[in-house]
Amino acid sequence: KAGVTQTPRYLIKTRGQQVTLSCSPISGHRSVSWYQQTPGQGLQFLFEYFSETQRNKGNFPGRFSGRQFSNSRSEMNVSTLELGDSALYLCASASPGQMNTEAFFGQGTRLTVV
Amino acid sequence: AQSVAQPEDQVNVAEGNPLTVKCTYSVSGNPYLFWYVQYPNRGLQFLLKYITGDNLVKGSYGFEAEFNKSQTSFHLKKPSALVSDSALYFCAVRDGLADMRFGAGTRLTVKP
Repeated sequence: KAGVTQTPRYLIKTRGQQVTLSCSPISGHRSVSWYQQTPGQGLQFLFEYFSETQRNKGNFPGRFSGRQFSNSRSEMNVSTLELGDSALYLCASASPGQMNTEAFFGQGTRLTVV
Repeated sequence: AQSVAQPEDQVNVAEGNPLTVKCTYSVSGNPYLFWYVQYPNRGLQFLLKYITGDNLVKGSYGFEAEFNKSQTSFHLKKPSALVSDSALYFCAVRDGLADMRFGAGTRLTVKP
């Protein structure tokens, strides 16, 4: 079974630009969550999508948005990039409707804003 | 809302010695608790989870964790540490259908 795939692995953007990150979950997983990881803030929850609907949302500004497609693939978009958005963005997928199941993580997208 | 705390930023142990990485949690309902490990430039890898039942949970790579409801703790343990166990460890909690929340992480260094 293929794991969670995130593309691209590395990205360099300029302040003010926007960026789109992609995540393909494990086949059959309908829940996709996004996290931001920085040295100072640790692992911060961005949002979770389940069956194309946002089910949970973290405490991030509206510049951060996401969506999920009918095949469960998800994208995350950050508009008007700031230097502080530089981070490792992790995507995780989980089995549908199972609260007690573990999440499986991709290797992440390393975003650098210059 | 659920939350989890890892009180130690760094844990250092000698190879062959037992290790403990601490985690405490706060939830309104029954907790689902998880431990993950992260190696440099990689995503998180699942180690083990507590859902219900036996308070001692065994996981991957010889790790285990003890659930203590009265102390709201879920400490990660290993009887004999290896240098290759050196990594960043995260505790996480999920309360029902809420999102999974992670602790700040504990960097484990095992010295030869």
